[in-house]
Amino acid sequence: SQTIHQWPATLVQPVGSPLSLECTVEGTSNPNLYWYRQAAGRGLQLLFYSVGIGQISSEVPQNLSASRPQDRQFILSSKKLLLSDSGFYLCAWRGSSNQPQHFGDGTRLSIL
Amino acid sequence: GENVEQHPSTLSVQEGDSAVIKCTYSDSASNYFPWYKQELGKRPQLIIDIRSNVGEKKDQRIAVTLNKTAKHFSLHITETQPEDSAVYFCAHVTQGGSEKLVFGKGTKLTVNP
Repeated sequence: SQTIHQWPATLVQPVGSPLSLECTVEGTSNPNLYWYRQAAGRGLQLLFYSVGIGQISSEVPQNLSASRPQDRQFILSSKKLLLSDSGFYLCAWRGSSNQPQHFGDGTRLSIL
Repeated sequence: GENVEQHPSTLSVQEGDSAVIKCTYSDSASNYFPWYKQELGKRPQLIIDIRSNVGEKKDQRIAVTLNKTAKHFSLHITETQPEDSAVYFCAHVTQGGSEKLVFGKGTKLTVNP
């Protein structure tokens, strides 16, 4: 069966520091991969998605970036974090079209 | 054509009552509609989904109805229980090869014992 791993579960970072969040999927090949951010008590904001290795689509302009170095690995990065980057970051994967997305357990990021 | 409107934003019911959440979309080419439940501090989890070739789908106390002509779909929870309390998100797939799910803003459901 397919599983999705996301780490770390929580992270506290100072303003201006770099960021790297990693997500990996097991049990499937060539998945669509997604990064979402969720502010406290708010909805799901799609940040990036990828349909294949090296293919990244950005949904919103920001100081975050994403990379997909391997088929089942999706990385969210920042060179310099802002206070507004705080939130709950969720990775998700989906197989073929018209199939549901499945979410990882998320990373709760606090910027101080 | 991507947006989906979800109502209500909050819903409070007594245990045993029914709860209905409605979503409206504008992309007539959308053909897949999942619903997610997110408990506090947890990840969203798929609870039910429907494709455009059917008008209704039921799984125990949960049902989803789809009206493609009116472009709306609804989640129905019967005999609500306190553990149904959570935020519920509707979504639909955008077309044109974008491979994205567009989510509603969520409904916070509270079931009072």
